[in-house]
Amino acid sequence: NAGVTQTPKFRVLKTGQSMTLLCAQDMNHEYMYWYRQDPGMGLRLIHYSVGEGTTAKGEVPDGYNVSRLKKQNFLLGLESAAPSQTSVYFCASNRSPLGREQYFGPGTRLTVT
Amino acid sequence: QQQVKQSPQSLIVQKGGISIINCAYENTAFDYFPWYQQFPGKGPALLIAIRPDVSEKKEGRFTISFNKSAKQFSLHIMDSQPGDSATYFCAASSPSTSGTYKYIFGTGTRLKVLA
Repeated sequence: NAGVTQTPKFRVLKTGQSMTLLCAQDMNHEYMYWYRQDPGMGLRLIHYSVGEGTTAKGEVPDGYNVSRLKKQNFLLGLESAAPSQTSVYFCASNRSPLGREQYFGPGTRLTVT
Repeated sequence: QQQVKQSPQSLIVQKGGISIINCAYENTAFDYFPWYQQFPGKGPALLIAIRPDVSEKKEGRFTISFNKSAKQFSLHIMDSQPGDSATYFCAASSPSTSGTYKYIFGTGTRLKVLA
């Protein structure tokens, strides 16, 4: 099992460009999450999904969109990147409702210039 | 009320010493308290977790102490080793109305264990 994988690992964007981050999990988990991690601020929830075809806003959703067309994939999109979106992005999943443990991917480091 | 306050921000411990990281919360709806370990360039990985019906949980050299009345919990790493050098995050979780779980993370503690 690969667990939770994320692509790409690194990306540099210019302000106004768009991109999509891909998260994939092979654990048949229902719930998936996107977080951003900034220095001194811990992990903050951007969007999450409780199953295929469903998405919901988290704590800091502005400037991001998500889609969950397949159970194993959760996509995070930036339509018009801004320097404030420079961060490390982590995807996570958990089994729910039985499992509380979140499994994290290795992260994507995004720099917006 | 949704915050989880974590301290210290950084910690340096000698090999063989005890590392202690503290977290405090306000929301009494939290019912699951995990600790995550994160190495540079990697995602957080669950280290140990506790529910509020117990005051202590031990797994190997790692122990969570939980004080429900004070709304505080802490991670103790006994016999700290250089390989324990990482960033540690506490978190608090509660069921949310959407059917999933809400996780609030602390700001992290960077631990360095000197050889």
